[in-house]
Amino acid sequence: EPEVTQTPSHQVTQMGQEVILRCVPISNHLYFYWYRQILGQKVEFLVSFYNNEISEKSEIFDDQFSVERPDGSNFTLKIRSTKLEDSAMYFCASTIGGISSYNEQFFGPGTRLTVL
Amino acid sequence: AQKITQTQPGMFVQEKEAVTLDCTYDTSDPSYGLFWYKQPSSGEMIFLIYQGSYDQQNATEGRYSLNFQKARKSANLVISASQLGDSAMYFCAMREDSGNTPLVFGKGTRLSVIA
Repeated sequence: EPEVTQTPSHQVTQMGQEVILRCVPISNHLYFYWYRQILGQKVEFLVSFYNNEISEKSEIFDDQFSVERPDGSNFTLKIRSTKLEDSAMYFCASTIGGISSYNEQFFGPGTRLTVL
Repeated sequence: AQKITQTQPGMFVQEKEAVTLDCTYDTSDPSYGLFWYKQPSSGEMIFLIYQGSYDQQNATEGRYSLNFQKARKSANLVISASQLGDSAMYFCAMREDSGNTPLVFGKGTRLSVIA
């Protein structure tokens, strides 16, 4: 069964460093998403991406964040200068797209980012 | 704006018993979808069940069923015959309109199944 993959599973970085979180969505999916979950809290939407551009972003997704689809398979989230409050689990998700409200978003296993 | 409310931060249930996890939502959009996800301690998000706003019948998937009461804007998850492996966080989520908009999640309910 096709699945969304994410690397690394866990990343530790120093405050102020840049990190790139990587995702490989399901191959025939067209819409890609990043969510984050601070420990013990709910899952929050960051950004969605379609047709090589951002389609929607939340207030959390400020100038220190960027997303890219550098090739036909990877979808990356870059945090330019990490802060302590960026420590969270980051989930990538993808969906095939369509007009129905049902289009299951397939979630990756997550990358746990720890900023020291 | 969309909003999902899960009022039970934690629930306990005896193994083999049924349990209901509450979820209420708020939206002005007539077309929306409701989802439940399970998050075990390992952290991954596992899709459980979906209910569309226009669906006439309550959704069921194996031991999971969704008690959808549209007028009350509630979408409670019912787990029948609880198993120890059901112990996890459970999140209710909603998406308005098209299938491409992002999900909005509730704060979750931690379910503990007791032997």
